[in-house]
Amino acid sequence: DAGVIQSPRHEVTEMGQEVTLRCKPISGHNSLFWYRQTMMRGLELLIYFNNNVPIDDSGMPEDRFSAKMPNASFSTLKIQPSEPRDSAVYFCASRLRLARTGELFFGEGSRLTVL
Amino acid sequence: SQQGEEDPQALSIQEGENATMNCSYKTSINNLQWYRQNSGRGLVHLILIRSNEREKHSGRLRVTLDTSKKSSSLLITASRAADTASYFCATESTGNQFYFGTGTSLTVIP
Repeated sequence: DAGVIQSPRHEVTEMGQEVTLRCKPISGHNSLFWYRQTMMRGLELLIYFNNNVPIDDSGMPEDRFSAKMPNASFSTLKIQPSEPRDSAVYFCASRLRLARTGELFFGEGSRLTVL
Repeated sequence: SQQGEEDPQALSIQEGENATMNCSYKTSINNLQWYRQNSGRGLVHLILIRSNEREKHSGRLRVTLDTSKKSSSLLITASRAADTASYFCATESTGNQFYFGTGTSLTVIP
């Protein structure tokens, strides 16, 4: 398996632009998580899905952020409009819920810079 | 915030020495996990300990869990330069949320 695949790996955009980050979880996994990592705030849980349904989005910082999971093999995190303080590395992770090990498998992240 | 705290924030040791990192958390948990992150990469799972376990070993890793104190420790024995990375604890609650600690940056000097 190729693991969790995120795109783009790097994005530089200007304030006010729309940003869409993409994630393909590991095939067969039924839970998907979006995290944001910054030096100041560490790893923050933004939202997670079980069986494509958003369960907890309390970590989404503002209405400018939205996430979707239209099917089991694809999720998006959208920021519209983007602001400089959104600059961070965004990680997607997936797992097989109720699996004995319970571990999360992370993608390599999308590094976002908003100028 | 439900994030845990890790201590120390940074640790520098000589190759061959042991490295100990501590994690404290705030809520009841189902399990606690430790992850490693190399610079510029995603996190990689190391070991999981369930709430009814007190100690677990995996190779050079030893994890302890004290649920009464809401704390855990990760011991890496006989460290190697390749162990240089950031290490994070993560707690899983009954709601399936995973919350990560602030991380410990480990440098192993050859």
